[in-house]
Amino acid sequence: AQSVTQLGSHVSVSEGALVLLRCNYSSSVPPYLFWYVQYPNQGLQLLLKYTTGATLVKGINGFEAEFKKSETSFHLTKPSAHMSDAAEYFCAVSATGFQKLVFGTGTRLLVSP
Amino acid sequence: EPEVTQTPSHQVTQMGQEVILRCVPISNHLYFYWYRQILGQKVEFLVSFYNNEISEKSEIFDDQFSVERPDGSNFTLKIRSTKLEDSAMYFCASRLQGADTQYFGPGTRLTVL
Repeated sequence: AQSVTQLGSHVSVSEGALVLLRCNYSSSVPPYLFWYVQYPNQGLQLLLKYTTGATLVKGINGFEAEFKKSETSFHLTKPSAHMSDAAEYFCAVSATGFQKLVFGTGTRLLVSP
Repeated sequence: EPEVTQTPSHQVTQMGQEVILRCVPISNHLYFYWYRQILGQKVEFLVSFYNNEISEKSEIFDDQFSVERPDGSNFTLKIRSTKLEDSAMYFCASRLQGADTQYFGPGTRLTVL
């Protein structure tokens, strides 16, 4: 069985500051891991994913995440926040990548000027 | 860029009424999913659908729920007799055969009074 924990329902940063959104997972098999973003009144958009291979994955809009098996983590980072990054971010895990996604509760990122 | 669409964006209904939520997946996708998110809770998997059959369903997806692909473009979720606890955001997603990324629609907010 898979599960995801996202620490912090809200994260506030200033424009230009580092963004760090935390995700820890539990999986009985090697996981497929995803970060999705939801802007207001829009669907969930894939930011990046880890399947196999390189543990540091880069996504759209300057985001990246590192798969750390020893820590069962897949934290999302961005060196410098933009106002346009304000959105809700969801971490998700899947057993195979082809099956259902199991989501965390989401983290709302607030960016102040 | 092709996208998943959902209608309506917001549906208000009385308890005990039937509702049908509609989704138009991306045209060449063959795998379809419904998820829901009760306010303040996790996005939860409901059902997956392939080749006109349910592939997997969660324990939430009881006899009150059904899915259908009535034609070559639409994918619907029917709730036969709505309960207050069915109030949630319902997301449709689709996936290309052989791909590990699900593409989500903007969601339908269902409010049961």
